[in-house]
Amino acid sequence: DGGITQSPKYLFRKEGQNVTLSCEQNLNHDAMYWYRQDPGQGLRLIYYSQIVNDFQKGDIAEGYSVSREKKESFPLTVTSAQKNPTAFYLCASTREFNQPQHFGDGTRLSIL
Amino acid sequence: SQQGEEDPQALSIQEGENATMNCSYKTSINNLQWYRQNSGRGLVHLILIRSNEREKHSGRLRVTLDTSKKSSSLLITASRAADTASYFCALSGTYKYIFGTGTRLKVLA
Repeated sequence: DGGITQSPKYLFRKEGQNVTLSCEQNLNHDAMYWYRQDPGQGLRLIYYSQIVNDFQKGDIAEGYSVSREKKESFPLTVTSAQKNPTAFYLCASTREFNQPQHFGDGTRLSIL
Repeated sequence: SQQGEEDPQALSIQEGENATMNCSYKTSINNLQWYRQNSGRGLVHLILIRSNEREKHSGRLRVTLDTSKKSSSLLITASRAADTASYFCALSGTYKYIFGTGTRLKVLA
């Protein structure tokens, strides 16, 4: 079955450390997105990519970085510059803009 | 803020009752989508309504859209305990989706 796989499910970050969240899709979708969700809140867009080797900042990109070297993969790095990284991170993809998004099951990031 | 605003923030009903949640927004949209999120999981797409549509049905779901009032509503009929989840509207504008704050629905058996 096609879908989006996020890993790991839980991740802990030490002070000053960069961590990378994985997002892989086998839906052959062109566009991919990263969102941050804080408790009881909606989703806020971190980065999005409409095509391989291209990505754009979302509303809260500071302290995060991404790459899109392959169509299937859109990893997110939470850098040490992100001072409040504790949140639930969701990756999504869509065949083309305006179509429904498919989501992974998220990665919960906490600080040690 | 461009974010969609949903109300109520939380809703608790008995099994078999109908649940209505509303989404208001400020921007122009191409379409509006509704998603469901079970606790600790990703979002699942429920229904999409285009800006030139007024009403859409899918099983026990009914969505309305009033672009003059910039609002949409999601009605779940004959609710079940398994409908317990958070529900989000998402506005499709220019190259990105803007999500609402969500309504937490609890259906009591």
